[in-house]
Amino acid sequence: GAVVSQHPSWVICKSGTSVKIECRSLDFQATTMFWYRQFPKQSLMLMATSNEGSKATYEQGVEKDKFLINHASLTLSTLTVTSAHPEDSSFYICSARGLGLHPYEQYFGPGTRLTVT
Amino acid sequence: AQSVTQLDSQVPVFEEAPVELRCNYSSSVSVYLFWYVQYPNQGLQLLLKYLSGSTLVKGINGFEAEFNKSQTSFHLRKPSVHISDTAEYFCAVGGGSNYKLTFGKGTLLTVNP
Repeated sequence: GAVVSQHPSWVICKSGTSVKIECRSLDFQATTMFWYRQFPKQSLMLMATSNEGSKATYEQGVEKDKFLINHASLTLSTLTVTSAHPEDSSFYICSARGLGLHPYEQYFGPGTRLTVT
Repeated sequence: AQSVTQLDSQVPVFEEAPVELRCNYSSSVSVYLFWYVQYPNQGLQLLLKYLSGSTLVKGINGFEAEFNKSQTSFHLRKPSVHISDTAEYFCAVGGGSNYKLTFGKGTLLTVNP
């Protein structure tokens, strides 16, 4: 149980375009989803927290107009990287916590590798 | 505020040897502790967790960890490692009311034949 999927697993886009990444909880209802960014050989950096039906809460230093997060249902959250630039290239990972799970227990998606050319 | 220190950035071991990956934390509130494993180009997989109760917790793939409140540690151990255990291991702590996890910087475990 507690499976989270992400789509796409990797994406290449041109500078200036926008990219949408989906995060789905497959077998539980995700009351909260978290979006992380991971640079090579580094730990996870929390970007934002989204609760179903509410606006996302962004961590300090994360541009909310660049990284648009929507959590419209209990099983789906999306991260849209707007006007992407090469410095946005990274590994993006989502996680979810939800009903029936311990409040601090997070389950992670497989990640999305974004390359901006 | 919470913090996590993983004392070793890299741990090389030989196959079938025992291993311990160290994790220390600091927190002003009660904590919940987790170990995650990440294989290359993949997300994080939960290895084990301490939420309450017995301080010795067992997880998947033969790993176990012991919560030591007095030493604020949560070290991960495996008595005999396999080549397939080669991966990055992250210790994480949660507590308070925001439901966020704070991650350590990770330890790269490399198992050599």
